[in-house]
Amino acid sequence: DTEVTQTPKHLVMGMTNKKSLKCEQHMGHRAMYWYKQKAKKPPELMFVYSYEKLSINESVPSRFSPECPNSSLLNLHLHALQPEDSALYLCASSQAGGRSTDTQYFGPGTRLTVL
Amino acid sequence: SQQGEEDPQALSIQEGENATMNCSYKTSINNLQWYRQNSGRGLVHLILIRSNEREKHSGRLRVTLDTSKKSSSLLITASRAADTASYFCATAANIGAGSYQLTFGKGTKLSVIP
Repeated sequence: DTEVTQTPKHLVMGMTNKKSLKCEQHMGHRAMYWYKQKAKKPPELMFVYSYEKLSINESVPSRFSPECPNSSLLNLHLHALQPEDSALYLCASSQAGGRSTDTQYFGPGTRLTVL
Repeated sequence: SQQGEEDPQALSIQEGENATMNCSYKTSINNLQWYRQNSGRGLVHLILIRSNEREKHSGRLRVTLDTSKKSSSLLITASRAADTASYFCATAANIGAGSYQLTFGKGTKLSVIP
């Protein structure tokens, strides 16, 4: 199983809402990533978790709050977002050890629209 | 910041033709990877070339790497309509604690016309 699943596929939320994005993998990977991708732009790294610990936070605003409850799950909690946060949010995972030659496996993404 | 710059930004070819996309990067790398993305969905890893390799093949894909020029190219031979997608190069850097960071280029949007 080389699949990374993400839910929901689409999400529309108001600026005062609180919502969460979910990512799951069962490949035994111990590194998991959140990326943000705006239309017609490349993905940009937001957060990296390694062995369930946050190892990278690419200066992401606090209205985005990641959580890694176990080695298979990665959540992204959203609160008080702005319309400019509308984007495709991609989750990825890679093997334990996190060698740069390891393949990152991406989920299909959550298309987020903030009204 | 964006590490890679793809060229061209968009490419339209007839089915059966070859497609060549180029990528330039700025810093030293451990390896360079190419990914494909269909219609704003998830990315699929295509091929990885290490910094000490010059050329690599995988099926209809051929990747070259010139570290002296800090550039790479992806060639898709005998293109098919199903190859229509955006293609990104990405450079990889270890960031410690058992993880690494991918920095993506701007991408080339390939359209293969049946």
